[in-house]
This record gives sequence, structure tokens and C-alpha cells, in this order.
Amino acid sequence: DADVTQTPRNRITKTGKRIMLECSQTKGHDRMYWYRQDPGLGLRLIYYSFDVKDINKGEISDGYSVSRQAQAKFSLSLESAIPNQTALYFCATGDGRDTQYFGPGTRLTVL
Amino acid sequence: GQSLEQPSEVTAVEGAIVQINCTYQTSGFYGLSWYQQHDGGAPTFLSYNGLDGLEETGRFSSFLSRSDSYGYLLLQELQMKDSASYFCASEFPAGNKLTFGGGTRVLVKP
Repeated sequence: DADVTQTPRNRITKTGKRIMLECSQTKGHDRMYWYRQDPGLGLRLIYYSFDVKDINKGEISDGYSVSRQAQAKFSLSLESAIPNQTALYFCATGDGRDTQYFGPGTRLTVL
Repeated sequence: GQSLEQPSEVTAVEGAIVQINCTYQTSGFYGLSWYQQHDGGAPTFLSYNGLDGLEETGRFSSFLSRSDSYGYLLLQELQMKDSASYFCASEFPAGNKLTFGGGTRVLVKP
């Protein structure tokens, strides 16, 4: 089984809809991250969490919110999706050292 | 702030050597990481330089020079499966957050 899982893997939705992307990990890491990747570009950090009670904004948090329900679960929400939020979304975990472990990604399309 | 620059694309033949440069401007820089991402896949960790010098992991090596704000990833004995995008990422502060470069797409030809 994969260490970091994301659901759904693909989602098509309409402008104005609320969307939740979920991430679960079995690595036992305290640190979890949500990134966004646009075609031909690198990854940009949306939000990150160092433990259940800790939530921090990344460089592009506007229009997004997160919830850290447990050490193993970190969800990303788009309260009112807009077309320019169409992108590939990755969840990642880290153990405080130099490596982050990424989930398989969620491809989101907002029409 | 943090920014990392790397070339957008490199093409080489099987068996060749490719060097992907990464120059950075970061405050609170701790180290430089490299990730590989195949089309449609997730980024996977390749190497990390916390100190100046060369780190070697099989066919891949990574180098860091803090005085020059510069690092590179060296891919040796290129194989077709090495066709992918490669991202440098700066760490700030240690173990906390990564800022990624725009990625270098490496195309390996027969």
C-alpha cells in the first residue's frame, strides 16, 4: 500500500462549487503539506501543518482552506472553486529532515 | 524571499552526461534538494546537499556551493527512463518548507 494517498485522483467540477481533497499517510510523519502544480511550472506551497494543532499559510493560500483532522489526515478545501484553480494538487509529508514524500496527486478541473 | 532558477529543457542521448544547474536567491537558506518527476507522476526525492560539496548516489550526483548560491544535479550514463522533469528546491528553515524551481525537462534520445 502507498504511504501517502490522495482522494479523489481526478475531479471535474463547476465554478462556485465546494470541493474537498483528502490526504492520508501511513508514514507516521508529523509534517504535512499541500502543493499546487500548474503545467510547466514547479510546485507552489498552499498550506502546511507541523502537527494536529498547527496550520500555516504557504505562498498561495488565498481561496483555499485546510483541516488537520488527525496526524495521518490533512484535507484541502476550495470553498468556491474558480477556473484558475484548475491544477494538479499534491499532498506531501515530512519527518523534519531533508526529504518530503509526495502522494500521487489529484487532477482538478474547474469549468 | 526565495527564488530558484534552472533551465527549462535539456536534450541528450543515451549514455551521455547531463548537468542541470540551479541558482538561487534565498534568505535563511539551509540546503538544496533535488526531485525527479515523471509525466503524470509524483515528485520523488533524489538527493540533498546541506553542506558545500558533492553528494553521489549511483548515477546521480548533486553539488552545492553556498558562496556562489549555486548547485547542480549531474546525471551520468543517461538511460531512457531518466526522461523526466527535475526540480531543485531550497529548504528554509531546516526541514520545514521547500521552495521549488520551475523544473528542467530532460529528454533522453536513443
